[in-house]
Parts: sequence; structure tokens; C-alpha cells
Amino acid sequence: DIQMTQSPSSLSAFVGDRVTITCRASQRISSFLNWYQQKPGKAPKLLIYGASTLESGVPSRFSGSGSGTDYTLTISSLQPEDSAIYYCQESYTAPRTFGPGTKVEIK
Amino acid sequence: QVQLVESGGGLVKPGGSLRLSCAASGFSFSDYYMSWIRQAPGGGLEWVSYIGDTSRYTNFADSVKGRFTISRDNPKNSLFLQMNTLTPEDTAVYYCARIRKGDNGDIFDYWGQGTLVIVSS
Repeated sequence: DIQMTQSPSSLSAFVGDRVTITCRASQRISSFLNWYQQKPGKAPKLLIYGASTLESGVPSRFSGSGSGTDYTLTISSLQPEDSAIYYCQESYTAPRTFGPGTKVEIK
Repeated sequence: QVQLVESGGGLVKPGGSLRLSCAASGFSFSDYYMSWIRQAPGGGLEWVSYIGDTSRYTNFADSVKGRFTISRDNPKNSLFLQMNTLTPEDTAVYYCARIRKGDNGDIFDYWGQGTLVIVSS
């Protein structure tokens, strides 16, 4: 099975800051990588698929990039409503493994 | 709009069984693969199972293989997860999710609100 790691596990930043979360796969996954946002008590929400394609309705301050084994999610200007846990997920093989999550808090 | 509503969760003793349901609306259910994904309390997300649009294809995580069965009723726009021989490690919120097939693999594009399963004596 592919193993997914994320760093950092948590971060705290100011409104307006640029935030970057990294996701690493244990093998090349050819951009078969999705990002989800989960707020407390809510279901995850799809943000980005195919490593870099923004899901419809998602604010443009979110962006994704990467290739091979290393991928990043960037929030260009952090907003209060972005406080959440962010998960990456590979869709290259079964099982569709999720990363452990990165908790983003607002200072 | 797309809606997925899970039901059937609850408290069950170790070794017991439970059947989860997911009622879908707002899209052509029979055109989509569907999946179950779970989240242990305070934990991360774990994919559990998926089923193809015609039920021909299914797959399961190793952690539930042989104990869980996934099925669907397309005319009734419903997805099911039969869970047998439950253990405390199966305690989690169970989400049903729609799978959108993309050029870069499966995308869980819509999720239900989840149903809580607690396995405890």
C-alpha cells in the first residue's frame, strides 16, 4: 500500500499569511492526488483534485502543485474561515490512502 | 443539489452486526461509483470500501475484508454497508461519498454528514 505523510501536522498563522502544506507519497503517484478540508463536526470537502485542479466553488486562494511523490497545498492569503484540518489523498491505487492531516489554526 | 444522507449507526456490542444505509438524491445515482469512508474519534480518514455503478466491482480495505459487505439498490438510490463481527476498532463516523472518475483517478466529490458507529460492551 502507498503511505502518505503530511507536514507540518499543525500550524498557526495570521490572517493574510501564505500557508503551505506538504504531502509526500511513498511512491510516485503521477498527480493522482486530492486535497480535502474538514471543519469540526463536518464532513470533508473536496478542494483540489488531480494535484492542481481547483474544485468548482472553491476560493482561488487555494492552489495545489507537485509531481512524483511530493505535493503541496497553498493558501495564498489565510482567512478566518480556513481554520480546519486538511487531508491529502492518493487515488493511484487501492486502498485510496489519506494522509494524517494538517491542522490549520488562526493566530 | 447532491445530497447523501447516512443512517443506521448506533451502539453495538463486539461481535455484533450493523447495516448502514445512504440515501442519495440530486444526481443520477446509477451513473456513479460510491464509497464508504470512516473516521475514528479524533482520528484521520480511512477508506473502507467502494462499489461500481452496476455493482460488478467492489473492493475493501484489508481491515474490513471478509467482515463488511457493500451493496446498492439503484432504483431506490441507496447504498448499503453490512458490517459483521464488529470490534471496538470499527468505532467511527462512517461517511458515504460519491466517486467522480477523473483523469487522475477517483475523486470523492460529495460526502454525507456521517453516521456514528460505536462498538462497545
